[in-house]
Amino acid sequence: DTGVSQNPRHKITKRGQNVTFRCDPISEHNRLYWYRQTLGQGPEFLTYFQNEAQLEKSRLLSDRFSAERPKGSFSTLEIQRTEQGDSAMYLCASSETGVPNEKLFFGSGTQLSVL
Amino acid sequence: GNSVTQMEGPVTLSEEAFLTINCTYTATGYPSLFWYVQYPGEGLQLLLKATKADDKGSNKGFEATYRKETTSFHLEKGSVQVSDSAVYFCALRPETSGSRLTFGEGTQLTVNP
Repeated sequence: DTGVSQNPRHKITKRGQNVTFRCDPISEHNRLYWYRQTLGQGPEFLTYFQNEAQLEKSRLLSDRFSAERPKGSFSTLEIQRTEQGDSAMYLCASSETGVPNEKLFFGSGTQLSVL
Repeated sequence: GNSVTQMEGPVTLSEEAFLTINCTYTATGYPSLFWYVQYPGEGLQLLLKATKADDKGSNKGFEATYRKETTSFHLEKGSVQVSDSAVYFCALRPETSGSRLTFGEGTQLTVNP
C-alpha cells in the first residue's frame, strides 16, 4: 500500500494556460475525491467519483474545470485558461466503502501557482 | 448550509501542556464529525471521529466528544508533545447528503520543547 499519490507536487503556470493534475488512489479504493485548499483555509470539496462515474460536483467546479476517471483507477483534473484565483493546493483522496464507515485517505496534494 | 468553525489560531504551547481546540458546527440532523491532522509536507490524516451524539472519538491521546446540545466537537489532549505540531482540521459529513466533507479553516498547533 503506497498511499494516494499525486503528481506533480508543484506546478507553476502562466495565466491563460491549461494544466492537468493526476491522482493515483489506493488500489482497491472505488471512491475518489478532489478538494481544493487555499492558504489558511480548510479543504473545499470539488467533485467525487464512484468507480468511473462522477457522482457529485460542487458549484466551485466552474466550466473551466474538468475531472475524469476513465477506468475507475487514476483520475485527472484539468483546469483550462487558468486564472490567478486558481492558485491553491489541489488534494485528492480515496476511500474503499461508503457512508457511514467510509475513511478517506488523502494525498500530499499538487500546489498550483498561476502567475 | 453546512459549516464548521474552529477557534482562531495559531496555538503555541509548551511540551506537556493541556490542549483544547474548539470546533462548532452548523448542520441539520446528526452529521458525522471528524478531526483530521496535517503534518508538514504530508496529506491530511484522519485523527478521530464520532458518528452520533455523545460519542467520544479518541486516538493517540486526543479526544473529542460529539455534543449535540452545543453543536460542538472540541479536540483535547492532556499532555502535548513536540511531535503533535501540525495543522488540525475539524470536519463534518452531513447525515443525508452524500459523501462530501465540510472542513473548518484549520488550527496551526506549535509545541515547543
